[in-house]
Amino acid sequence: DAKTTQPPSMDCAEGRAANLPCNHSTISGNEYVYWYRQIHSQGPQYIIHGLKNNETNEMASLIITEDRKSSTLILPHATLRDTAVYYCIVKGYNQGGKLIFGQGTELSVKP
Amino acid sequence: NAGVTQTPKFRVLKTGQSMTLLCAQDMNHEYMYWYRQDPGMGLRLIHYSVGEGTTAKGEVPDGYNVSRLKKQNFLLGLESAAPSQTSVYFCASSFLPATGTDLGQYFGPGTRLTVT
Repeated sequence: DAKTTQPPSMDCAEGRAANLPCNHSTISGNEYVYWYRQIHSQGPQYIIHGLKNNETNEMASLIITEDRKSSTLILPHATLRDTAVYYCIVKGYNQGGKLIFGQGTELSVKP
Repeated sequence: NAGVTQTPKFRVLKTGQSMTLLCAQDMNHEYMYWYRQDPGMGLRLIHYSVGEGTTAKGEVPDGYNVSRLKKQNFLLGLESAAPSQTSVYFCASSFLPATGTDLGQYFGPGTRLTVT
C-alpha cells in the first residue's frame, strides 16, 4: 500500500469549507484514494473514495490531482459535528479489503 | 438493520485470562475485519476474513486467534491476555471490494479492553 502524508491537525470555522489535504506520491495506477473519519471514541466512518476523477456525495467532495500524487477532501459547510480525525488511505482492489490507517488529520470545527 | 455490533462494550481482564470478542453483521457482507486502536494511534489490522470458514493474518496478529464459522459472525480470541493488549478493538465488514459499488467498510462501536 502507498504511504500517505497528512497534516496532524487543522481548524475550520463553522459554516466554512474544510479542505483536508493528503499526499500520496507513491500511489500506483490501480490504487484508489479512500477517506474515513473517526469521531471521538466511535468506529471509523467511510466518507468517499476515488481513482482519478473528482467525486462528490452527500457528505463531501474528493479532488484528486491530475498526476494523482495528492488529493483534497472538501467538507463544503463544516459543522461542529464534523470535528473528528480524518484518515486518507490508499488501497488497491487487488489488496482485498485491508485498510492501512496512518495518523490522520484532527479537524476541529470551531463556532 | 443493526449494522455491525460488538459484544461486550467494555471488559477488564487480569494477565493470563482468556476471552472472546464477538462481532456480528446483518448486511450479508463477505469480508470481516478486526482492528485494534491504541491511544493517539490509527487502527491496525489484526486478522481478517474473506468469507465463511476463512481467516488471514493482518499487521499485528500475534497473541490473537479468530474464527468465522458463520458468515455473519467473526470472533476474536485472546488465549492469554497481556497488558500490551489493552486497547480498543473495532470490528468491520464490507462487500467483496473488487466488484460492484464499493461503499467502504462499516465499523462497529468498539470494545474497550483493559488488561491489568
